[in-house]
Amino acid sequence: DAGVIQSPRHEVTEMGQEVTLRCKPISGHNSLFWYRQTMMRGLELLIYFNNNVPIDDSGMPEDRFSAKMPNASFSTLKIQPSEPRDSAVYFCASRTGGSNQPQHFGDGTRLSIL
Amino acid sequence: AQSVTQPDIHITVSEGASLELRCNYSYGATPYLFWYVQSPGQGLQLLLKYFSGDTLVQGIKGFEAEFKRSQSSFNLRKPSVHWSDAAEYFCAVGGDNDMRFGAGTRLTVKP
Repeated sequence: DAGVIQSPRHEVTEMGQEVTLRCKPISGHNSLFWYRQTMMRGLELLIYFNNNVPIDDSGMPEDRFSAKMPNASFSTLKIQPSEPRDSAVYFCASRTGGSNQPQHFGDGTRLSIL
Repeated sequence: AQSVTQPDIHITVSEGASLELRCNYSYGATPYLFWYVQSPGQGLQLLLKYFSGDTLVQGIKGFEAEFKRSQSSFNLRKPSVHWSDAAEYFCAVGGDNDMRFGAGTRLTVKP
């Protein structure tokens, strides 16, 4: 049974460049979440989708961040332009059902902005 | 909205000793509670969950947690810690539509 798949696993790029992180949720899951993890701020919820529709994007830091979910099996998180303070590990998670169900996490994308 | 507090940032225990990681939550209704473990370079893995029924919940890897409504707590326990348990542990509470995570507790295991 395939879990949540994220790509790339590592990304190193220069500031100002566009970064696109990708996520394939578990088949059949109806909710998808994007998180950012840093030493300073811990695990932060950026945005989550339910049935491909963004429900809460209040955690998105600023307009440089955008997320899409064009279909039930794919989502992207884009940063444009990227800045060094965006360096973090970004996790995608998916879930079936409501908030009484656990989220299943991918292995994350470690992003370094130079 | 719900919130979670993990009072201990870092705990060190000796291998074979018992372990208890603390978690306190705030939520107006019956909470859905979870414990996750994160090993270095990996995502979060579910250890156990509670949303109704028996307040003592068994999970994977020999872990258990007890829901105490009167104390708004959901502490994680293990009777005998193994070196492979060294990791970061996150408590989470589900409510409304999403989930809130605590700041995590880093567990170090001494030989």
